[in-house]
Amino acid sequence: DAGVIQSPRHEVTEMGQEVTLRCKPISGHDYLFWYRQTMMRGLELLIYFNNNVPIDDSGMPEDRFSAKMPNASFSTLKIQPSEPRDSAVYFCASSPRLWQGSTDTQYFGPGTRLTVL
Amino acid sequence: AQSVTQLDSQVPVFEEAPVELRCNYSSSVSVYLFWYVQYPNQGLQLLLKYLSGSTLVKGINGFEAEFNKSQTSFHLRKPSVHISDTAEYFCAVSLIKAAGNKLTFGGGTRVLVKP
Repeated sequence: DAGVIQSPRHEVTEMGQEVTLRCKPISGHDYLFWYRQTMMRGLELLIYFNNNVPIDDSGMPEDRFSAKMPNASFSTLKIQPSEPRDSAVYFCASSPRLWQGSTDTQYFGPGTRLTVL
Repeated sequence: AQSVTQLDSQVPVFEEAPVELRCNYSSSVSVYLFWYVQYPNQGLQLLLKYLSGSTLVKGINGFEAEFNKSQTSFHLRKPSVHISDTAEYFCAVSLIKAAGNKLTFGGGTRVLVKP
């Protein structure tokens, strides 16, 4: 299994531009999570999906942020317009339906490092 | 709601010395407990987890952690560290059978192993 795949790995953009981050979860996982990591705030859960449906988006900071999961193998996190304070590493993670045994947990992608100038 | 506190934001340690990273949690119900490691410029990787049974849990790379229910702690230890253990370590909790294994993370502890 290739694990959770995120693209791009690095993104540099200018303030006001639209940014789209992409994630491919592990095949067969029913849950997908988007996190943001910064030095100031640590690791924050932004939103998570179950079977492509958003379940909890209370961590999404503002209306400028939106996330979609059109199918079981693809999700996007969009920021429009982007601002310098959005600079962070954004992680995607996926997990199976419920605890199935000792190996179940969330599996993280390598992250996208976003820099907004 | 549950919360996780990692008492040390940074821990410098010499190579081959032991290290202990402290983690305390707060929850009104039983939880599962985890330690993740994040190497520079990488995602988070599971080190070990406690679900039930023996309170001493062994993980990858020689790490172990002990669950102490009375003290609501889950401290991580390694008897002899290597340079390659330089990373950030995150403690996390999950409600038992939480939907999607939803995790609450601590603030992280940066370990810097010096030669």
